[in-house]
Amino acid sequence: AQTVTQSQPEMSVQEAETVTLSCTYDTSESDYYLFWYKQPPSRQMILVIRQEAYKQQNATENRFSVNFQKAAKSFSLKISDSQLGDAAMYFCAYRSAWNNNDMRFGAGTRLTVKP
Amino acid sequence: EPEVTQTPSHQVTQMGQEVILRCVPISNHLYFYWYRQILGQKVEFLVSFYNNEISEKSEIFDDQFSVERPDGSNFTLKIRSTKLEDSAMYFCASNPSTGANNSPLHFGNGTRLTVT
Repeated sequence: AQTVTQSQPEMSVQEAETVTLSCTYDTSESDYYLFWYKQPPSRQMILVIRQEAYKQQNATENRFSVNFQKAAKSFSLKISDSQLGDAAMYFCAYRSAWNNNDMRFGAGTRLTVKP
Repeated sequence: EPEVTQTPSHQVTQMGQEVILRCVPISNHLYFYWYRQILGQKVEFLVSFYNNEISEKSEIFDDQFSVERPDGSNFTLKIRSTKLEDSAMYFCASNPSTGANNSPLHFGNGTRLTVT
């Protein structure tokens, strides 16, 4: 079974600085998709960024980018120019390309942004 | 942009009572899901639903749980006899049709269930 591990329960960053959140996963599949979701205090689950495993190029969405290392099964999220509104729980998630049934989440990393 | 909507936003119930959590998925989506998040813990998969039947369920989804799509728009999660440990945030999600596994799940805002 696929597992997703986020080894940093909490992270802190100064406003305007850069922070990297770690995620590793375990799978025997070669084709899959990876996601980062943000959960602010409102408890919504908001998609931040996605990555297809067959793509070598790292995904980028404005201030958010990933470092996808397929061989190492690592999928870290980099937030540049951190803003106060970035403060939230961040969940890494894995989804099989073959099974449309579910998405597996990591335990989450709580990000605090200091003004 | 279309959204997944969930009602109520907060439900308080007594232990042993039945609750029904309601969701309206995005209208052209075909896959529906329920997830649970106990306070401070990870988001856990409960069940997926496709073509009017359960396609997969986790070990959490025992006989106390059931899902239904009673009409063309609603997707409900019923907990028959609630326990204290059922207190959690319950998220409904939906997804377009096959071949779109790279598309993210679209989550609702969740229903906070408190069992007293």
